[in-house]
Amino acid sequence: GAVVSQHPSWVICKSGTSVKIECRSLDFQATTMFWYRQFPKQSLMLMATSNEGSKATYEQGVEKDKFLINHASLTLSTLTVTSAHPEDSSFYICSARDGAETKETQYFGPGTRLLVL
Amino acid sequence: AQSVSQHNHHVILSEAASLELGCNYSYGGTVNLFWYVQYPGQHLQLLLKYFSGDPLVKGIKGFEAEFIKSKFSFNLRKPSVQWSDTAEYFCAVRDGGSQGNLIFGKGTKLSVKP
Repeated sequence: GAVVSQHPSWVICKSGTSVKIECRSLDFQATTMFWYRQFPKQSLMLMATSNEGSKATYEQGVEKDKFLINHASLTLSTLTVTSAHPEDSSFYICSARDGAETKETQYFGPGTRLLVL
Repeated sequence: AQSVSQHNHHVILSEAASLELGCNYSYGGTVNLFWYVQYPGQHLQLLLKYFSGDPLVKGIKGFEAEFIKSKFSFNLRKPSVQWSDTAEYFCAVRDGGSQGNLIFGKGTKLSVKP
């Protein structure tokens, strides 16, 4: 199946700093990428949807100025957590949709665990 | 708003037992249905999906799921589980055909005792 990678896999940062997470589709072109947040023992919550070359669409309650998403190419999307605070500590998962598939399936990255001290 | 309900938070079974995990959704239109599995320390992987056609869908690793439209359900089954099936299982629904976003259930943790 298609492969989605994320980097870094985990990151620890100080409060107030910014953290960038990369999401890459390794063997397909991702016309659409998604960013999710997963809290312990809870489901994945969609944060935003991004299409290559256009602005991301954020879900209600997600601060677009805090969670900056860039989808500059068909294989790369980045999520930047700006001025991170301890409450931003979470597991962030990206997902990519293969636009070439006739019945589109989302493929998930391994996730990035963020700990803000 | 759409929602996805997974009835069991944690299921504990012995090897060779049969498995059925419930999933119900609340959307009356056209839906695409998915089951994903997350093994410990790994990323989400697609087990199976339903778009149309035969409501009994067979996936990888011996899993299957049945779409029952009248019950808004998409339960996951496996006749005989193995220790390696220990994982968290997520049901997901997408509306609006292929353009909608995935809505996930809260997941069911499956622990299989050897």
